[in-house]
Amino acid sequence: EDQVTQSPEALRLQEGESSSLNCSYTVSGLRGLFWYRQDPGKGPEFLFTLYSAGEEKEKERLKATLTKKESFLHITAPKPEDSATYLCAVNYGQNFVFGPGTRLSVLP
Amino acid sequence: ETGVTQSPTHLIKTRGQQVTLRCSSQSGHNTVSWYQQALGQGPQFIFQYYREEENGRGNFPPRFSGLQFPNYSSELNVNALELDDSALYLCASSPSGGAGRGETQYFGPGTRLLVL
Repeated sequence: EDQVTQSPEALRLQEGESSSLNCSYTVSGLRGLFWYRQDPGKGPEFLFTLYSAGEEKEKERLKATLTKKESFLHITAPKPEDSATYLCAVNYGQNFVFGPGTRLSVLP
Repeated sequence: ETGVTQSPTHLIKTRGQQVTLRCSSQSGHNTVSWYQQALGQGPQFIFQYYREEENGRGNFPPRFSGLQFPNYSSELNVNALELDDSALYLCASSPSGGAGRGETQYFGPGTRLLVL
């Protein structure tokens, strides 16, 4: 069964403590993998699109990487304002499937 | 450039009623998708419209239906509301019909629906 999973479910970091979030997928014919940030009660905010294994994208303290079966979102020296739920989604065929998200809390 | 907008922001309905949610796509985008997001879960794909035609559908019953208008605005209609329909409904737009590489979808703020 095609699916998208994310780990950990929740992550608590101290300000400045770097870490990585994982998104694993088991779909065929990947057309794109997307990372979003979502604050409580709001719509997802686009972060990155990755299309092929080996691709990397960076934005401020965030870096996204992609392999054939998973993607990582690396957070370097996070700040409290990085606290949010991070969602990954995969597009295959006409399907757009989200993972359950990782809830990140960054403590000052 | 205006982003994706949705209305209303909040809505309360009772079981068995019908509801219409509205979305205006980002300028220049002709594809719109709708998602349902239950509390604590990732969004679930309902359907997608491209140039006023349904272009893909997730695992939702026919009482979930949609429309896309020539100006690329869109509606989500839900008939015979059930308690489990309570969720955040998200609209997302993208530049074209999605042929070839997957296209980035840009989301609106959502409509919070509560069914009592």
